[in-house]
Amino acid sequence: DAGITQSPRHKVTETGTPVTLRCHQTENHRYMYWYRQDPGHGLRLIHYSYGVKDTDKGEVSDGYSVSRSKTEDFLLTLESATSSQTSVYFCAIKGTDSYNEQFFGPGTRLTVL
Amino acid sequence: QQQVKQSPQSLIVQKGGISIINCAYENTAFDYFPWYQQFPGKGPALLIAIRPDVSEKKEGRFTISFNKSAKQFSLHIMDSQPGDSATYFCAATSYNTDKLIFGTGTRLQVFP
Repeated sequence: DAGITQSPRHKVTETGTPVTLRCHQTENHRYMYWYRQDPGHGLRLIHYSYGVKDTDKGEVSDGYSVSRSKTEDFLLTLESATSSQTSVYFCAIKGTDSYNEQFFGPGTRLTVL
Repeated sequence: QQQVKQSPQSLIVQKGGISIINCAYENTAFDYFPWYQQFPGKGPALLIAIRPDVSEKKEGRFTISFNKSAKQFSLHIMDSQPGDSATYFCAATSYNTDKLIFGTGTRLQVFP
């Protein structure tokens, strides 16, 4: 998994509660990404980061925020979880190749009841 | 224009057969087309990729065919094995962007 860990790996929470997912990398990559994976939709980009404190929105950013205070950690926060945010969340890093080769973490399965 | 359309959604193949997954794109600025393989409970893993200056790339039993004029590319898995059973995603990107655009995925099942 290219030195990427995600925590927690599984989480069940209730509607309206805040949730933070963590992505940690050990190889000092500049770019980090958060995706969600849902049946029939493939992988959709939520937010990404191109450096410490530098982030940008993806195609499904509503209801999510991110933070990156150090190179190795990229946090995804659901301020008030909803059932529509039940999904599998993947973190990815961009490799050092000039093209967008991305390498994924093991994923976090989030269930919002 | 940013979409990548992938088909079929699911595919069942007999062991030893050829699996073919197709993708189509609209954005002519795309210049890198990777394929990812994902096993249940795991993250997607880069399988093979192609750039539009070639029409075909082969790595073992996996081949990407690329048709620039039709804006289509496909993954062929020769001599398909039960261990190839997974979900496959095509993707596309261009040099001047930081993002990958993914297809919706194909679930491949190879039966012995």
